Amino acid sequence: AQSVTQLGSHVSVSEGALVLLRCNYSSSVPPYLFWYVQYPNQGLQLLLKYTTGATLVKGINGFEAEFKKSETSFHLTKPSAHMSDAAEYFCAVHTGGFKTIFGAGTRLFVKA
Amino acid sequence: GAVVSQHPSRVICKSGTSVKIECRSLDFQATTMFWYRQFPKQSLMLMATSNEGSKATYEQGVEKDKFLINHASLTLSTLTVTSAHPEDSSFYICSRTVDHNEQFFGPGTRLTVL
Repeated sequence: AQSVTQLGSHVSVSEGALVLLRCNYSSSVPPYLFWYVQYPNQGLQLLLKYTTGATLVKGINGFEAEFKKSETSFHLTKPSAHMSDAAEYFCAVHTGGFKTIFGAGTRLFVKA
Repeated sequence: GAVVSQHPSRVICKSGTSVKIECRSLDFQATTMFWYRQFPKQSLMLMATSNEGSKATYEQGVEKDKFLINHASLTLSTLTVTSAHPEDSSFYICSRTVDHNEQFFGPGTRLTVL
C-alpha cells in the first residue's frame, strides 16, 4: 500500500531564506507525485507534479522538487522565501486506480 | 480561471437540518469526482468517489446514509449532509482528476452546524 510522510508539521523560515519541505513516500510501483498548496479557507492548488522523465520538476511561484527513487523522497524547495508563500503544503502520491494519498501537510511560516 | 466550483462557500445551519453542497466541473465533463473532508489543521480525508450515473463509492467509516452523493450529470456532483450535527462541522472540498490523476480542487465549503 502506498503512503506519504511529511516530516515536520510546521516549518518557519525568514523571508529570503531557503524553503525545504520534506516528503517521503512508500509505493510498490512507480508513483506519480504531487505538491499542492492551500491558502486559508481555500481549496488546494497544484504546485508541481512528477510523472515520468526528468526527476527535477519546476512548478509555480519558484518552487521545485526532485524525485529521488533511491531515497523514496520528493522534497519541495524554493531558494528564497516570500511572505506570500505562507500556507499549508501537501505532498501526495498516486499509484493507480482513482485514489490519491495525501500527506498530513506542512504549514510554512515566513518571518519578516 | 477556476475549473471546479463549489456552492455555497459557507453555510451555517441548525442541528437536525440537511445541507446540500454543489460541485461543478466548469471546463470538462467529469465522470468521476471526489469529495473530501478536512478538519482544522489536518489533511484531506477522502469521503467518497462520485460516479456519474451510478452509486458513489464510499470510504470505510463514512456513513453513506448521512452523506448522500448524487452525480446526475457529467458536470455536477452534490453532497447532502443529512440531519447535520455539530460534529459534522468541517471544510468540505470536491475535486476532479486530470491527466495522471492530478486533481483540480474546488474552493471548498465551510459547514458550521449550530
